[in-house]
Amino acid sequence: GAVVSQHPSRVICKSGTSVKIECRSLDFQATTMFWYRQFPKKSLMLMATSNEGSKATYEQGVEKDKFLINHASLTLSTLTVTSAHPEDSSFYICSATGTNYGYTFGSGTRLTVV
Amino acid sequence: GIQVEQSPPDLILQEGANSTLRCNFSDSVNNLQWFHQNPWGQLINLFYIPSGTKQNGRLSATTVATERYSLLYISSSQTTDSGVYFCAVKETSGSRLTFGEGTQLTVNP
Repeated sequence: GAVVSQHPSRVICKSGTSVKIECRSLDFQATTMFWYRQFPKKSLMLMATSNEGSKATYEQGVEKDKFLINHASLTLSTLTVTSAHPEDSSFYICSATGTNYGYTFGSGTRLTVV
Repeated sequence: GIQVEQSPPDLILQEGANSTLRCNFSDSVNNLQWFHQNPWGQLINLFYIPSGTKQNGRLSATTVATERYSLLYISSSQTTDSGVYFCAVKETSGSRLTFGEGTQLTVNP
């Protein structure tokens, strides 16, 4: 079946630094990738949708300059949290879909900013 | 956008009991999935079920698209069934999945 790999699974960083999270589709070409954020005991909130080779479409209220998304190939999308602050601490999950594939989710990244 | 409501928000069961989780949605969909999120955060796809009925072991799901709801049945529950169950839908236009708020299931031994 379709597999999406997300790394790192857990990261702790200092305030003001940037963190990059990778999302890879291992056995299919992901024409579209999605990035979600999940707060404790809450549902998944879509942050942005990215199509290979084009700029990401951000949801209302999501800061484009803080959450940089790159989808340079059909198997890789990255989310960079720039100048991280404690309020950016959260669980981030990516998802990928391709032709003839449903929505497959990565295992998530727990970001803690100290 | 489409609204997705799940009920109940919380459910506590004794091992061996059966349960039904419900998902209502406000518009036509061409994709509906049920997920189980385990304690480590991994979303496990249970069913892709935009319509009809499917069964997988102790779990089954039914979606009545014309009435805009889906049900997830868990029979003979086990402690390992504990976690959050999400329903997610995709409207007929667009590519995004919209999640409900989830049902937190706790199965006690």
